[in-house]
Amino acid sequence: NAGVMQNPRHLVRRRGQEARLRCSPMKGHSHVYWYRQLPEEGLKFMVYLQKENIIDESGMPKERFSAEFPKEGPSILRIQQVVRGDSAAYFCASSPPLDPDTQYFGPGTRLTVL
Amino acid sequence: KQEVTQIPAALSVPEGENLVLNCSFTDSAIYNLQWFRQDPGKGLTSLLLIQSSQREQTSGRLNASLDKSSGRSTLYIAASQPGDSATYLCAGMYSGGGADGLTFGKGTHLIIQP
Repeated sequence: NAGVMQNPRHLVRRRGQEARLRCSPMKGHSHVYWYRQLPEEGLKFMVYLQKENIIDESGMPKERFSAEFPKEGPSILRIQQVVRGDSAAYFCASSPPLDPDTQYFGPGTRLTVL
Repeated sequence: KQEVTQIPAALSVPEGENLVLNCSFTDSAIYNLQWFRQDPGKGLTSLLLIQSSQREQTSGRLNASLDKSSGRSTLYIAASQPGDSATYLCAGMYSGGGADGLTFGKGTHLIIQP
């Protein structure tokens, strides 16, 4: 059973471009979480999704950030018009439907904005 | 606002020593607490999860305790080895079912000297 997969592992964007980060949860997992780790900071919760539903987006910036988890395919975290302050490691975690309290983390995507 | 604090931020000890990492949290209404390990450039590996009704959990050389009344958790590592070198993260969940995600501390960067 493959773990949580994220791609790309490293992403470089120039200011103003769009960044798309993908997360494939573990097989059978229907819950996905996104976290952001800024340099020298702890991980911060961004959003919690189930298939086709956003359950909690209280940690998402109000502008430029969006997330989806479609019925088919990976979860996508989309950042529009990136700025240098968006440079961070973005981690995805998934959990199974019967144990939503246990999260399995992916390796992360390291976004660098030039 | 829930906050998780980890002390010390960094720790360096000789191989073979027993050591304790500390974590404190501001809200005693914690649902569960987890300890993770993060290696450079890698994702998070869950080490131990303690439910709010439990006092401790053990796995091999690791023992984690939870004291809700004092808002503290400790991770005890016995007979430390160089392979234990990593950043250790403490994270609390405050809502069952995954809502709100995990609240992380900034971590303790541990170096075990051979």
